[in-house]
Amino acid sequence: AQKITQTQPGMFVQEKEAVTLDCTYDTSDPSYGLFWYKQPSSGEMIFLIYQGSYDQQNATEGRYSLNFQKARKSANLVISASQLGDSAMYFCAMRDLNTNAGKSTFGDGTTLTVKP
Amino acid sequence: DVKVTQSSRYLVKRTGEKVFLECVQDMDHENMFWYRQDPGLGLRLIYFSYDVKMKEKGDIPEGYSVSREKKERFSLILESASTNQTSMYLCASSHYARSTDTQYFGPGTRLTVL
Repeated sequence: AQKITQTQPGMFVQEKEAVTLDCTYDTSDPSYGLFWYKQPSSGEMIFLIYQGSYDQQNATEGRYSLNFQKARKSANLVISASQLGDSAMYFCAMRDLNTNAGKSTFGDGTTLTVKP
Repeated sequence: DVKVTQSSRYLVKRTGEKVFLECVQDMDHENMFWYRQDPGLGLRLIYFSYDVKMKEKGDIPEGYSVSREKKERFSLILESASTNQTSMYLCASSHYARSTDTQYFGPGTRLTVL
């Protein structure tokens, strides 16, 4: 069974600073994908970034990057130059890529607050 | 643009009522999902479907059923609503073949059962 752990229920960051949101995972599957989503107060889940277990390089998408440490089973999200609009809940999720293509396991989420 | 829509943003029902939550996607996705989201518990999978008329139980199917008569539409049914089903319900869809593809989410339905 897969498990995602997000140990930070809430985080604060000053505007324009960088912040790291932690995510550790547990799986026995050799091929898996890791996803990060943002959920603003409006409720809609927004896809941010993807990392495959066999990807050699850490994923980056604009101000978002993923610090993937396979041996430690961690996939931390780094947001650079935080903006007030980054205040939201963030979810880490995992999917086994060898079985059903869609089923994902989600963490409990981290609420990020960006201070002006 | 990719789009998943849900029939209601907010819904208030009484205990014992039958409740239908509808989800429609316009991306020709094979997979569709229903999650519930509660504070501190993240997203928990209720049911998912990988084809028309096909369904599989997720982690918390008790008290729920689903229907997928057409590829674009996936309905969640609460046969007899209870107060512990008060929650945010999120629908999502994804391609079956492209397993690295993200799930696309609808805006959510906040259901209150009185």
